[in-house]
Amino acid sequence: SAVISQKPSRDICQRGTSLTIQCQVDSQVTMMFWYRQQPGQSLTLIATANQGSEATYESGFVIDKFPISRPNLTFSTLTVSNMSPEDSSIYLCSVLAGPLYEQFFGPGTRLTVL
Amino acid sequence: AQSVAQPEDQVNVAEGNPLTVKCTYSVSGNPYLFWYVQYPNRGLQFLLKYITGDNLVKGSYGFEAEFNKSQTSFHLKKPSALVSDSALYFCASAGGYNKLIFGAGTRLAVHP
Repeated sequence: SAVISQKPSRDICQRGTSLTIQCQVDSQVTMMFWYRQQPGQSLTLIATANQGSEATYESGFVIDKFPISRPNLTFSTLTVSNMSPEDSSIYLCSVLAGPLYEQFFGPGTRLTVL
Repeated sequence: AQSVAQPEDQVNVAEGNPLTVKCTYSVSGNPYLFWYVQYPNRGLQFLLKYITGDNLVKGSYGFEAEFNKSQTSFHLKKPSALVSDSALYFCASAGGYNKLIFGAGTRLAVHP
């Protein structure tokens, strides 16, 4: 298993600003993922972040809006840029750390954009 | 395209009764299926998975799930529900490059 922490746990931001969310894992992992969970909705994958390569974004998500860094095997950041109220969501990071597709999730960052 | 469906938005169960949370899947190739639980203000917790082998999979907190290939289902079950089981439950399948595709979620309410 893996223990994952995220900072901040929640934030309230103004429209047009940016927020960077940090994800720290207690062990080295190759694959990290960033998900968005809009209010009352399921989880949607934003991008996959592998160390040493560019993040791979899912349809509907672009690097300019959600830049991701993955400087080492235990850490990643997701930035939500030029925020609007529609970006209000819970953002979760996860890692592939178990045998065969097992993903573990961080506690999430609850973002509210005014 | 790969998809997961959870047909019930909410399931209500009396404490002590058996519970079932339904999930059906549509995948090409061998299905890799998961159940996660989300408690309020907390991240997702892994419950169990089916990769291969026995159709009945046992997981955390007394939960189990039955893989049924002919019905393309992977229903989550527990013989005796607890009030503390009340949470949001997600079924998911793993596709290419380890991406998880989630169902819409089912809210389980267990009443004393």
